Amino acid sequence: GAVVSQHPSRVICKSGTSVKIECRSLDFQATTMFWYRQFPKKSLMLMATSNEGSKATYEQGVEKDKFLINHASLTLSTLTVTSAHPEDSSFYICSARDKGLSTEAFFGQGTRLTVV
Amino acid sequence: QKEVEQNSGPLSVPEGAIASLNCTYSDRGSQSFFWYRQYSGKSPELIMSIYSNGDKEDGRFTAQLNKASQYVSLLIRDSQPSDSATYLCAVNRYGGATNKLIFGTGTLLAVQP
Repeated sequence: GAVVSQHPSRVICKSGTSVKIECRSLDFQATTMFWYRQFPKKSLMLMATSNEGSKATYEQGVEKDKFLINHASLTLSTLTVTSAHPEDSSFYICSARDKGLSTEAFFGQGTRLTVV
Repeated sequence: QKEVEQNSGPLSVPEGAIASLNCTYSDRGSQSFFWYRQYSGKSPELIMSIYSNGDKEDGRFTAQLNKASQYVSLLIRDSQPSDSATYLCAVNRYGGATNKLIFGTGTLLAVQP
């Protein structure tokens, strides 16, 4: 199946710093990538949809200046959590949609972010 | 009303039994439905996709879709302890140029040895 690689898997950062998370589709072209966050024992909450070469579309309530998304190529999207605070601590997961398969999406391994 | 609803569980079944997981959705126009399995601390992995009314079987898994009732289910036959995980129902939401995958809260399945 399609492989999506997400890095880093875990990161601890200090309050006020920024953290960048990368999401790569390794064996397919992903015109669309999605970013989710998940709190413990909760479901995945869609944060934004990232289309290659255009601005990301953010879900209601998600601050676009706080969570910067860049989708520079068909295989790479990045999420930068700016000026991180402890409440940003969460599990962030990306998923990518294969250009040839219109609806199935494949997930990266997730990034456990802890802000101290 | 939530877009995708699932009973959070936990659903406890004995090893070897059939586990039945249910999901309802609110958007009558939805056409694509997915079941993902998520182990604790891991990201979801796709188990089944279903697009047409009726049953779709893959090994021990059977997905069932009833668009008239806006209902999709997942049956796991011969349940194993390794099937213990959270099962997430996902529905494609069509909007503008991009289809978005919307998840239910998940059902925690516990298979007792």
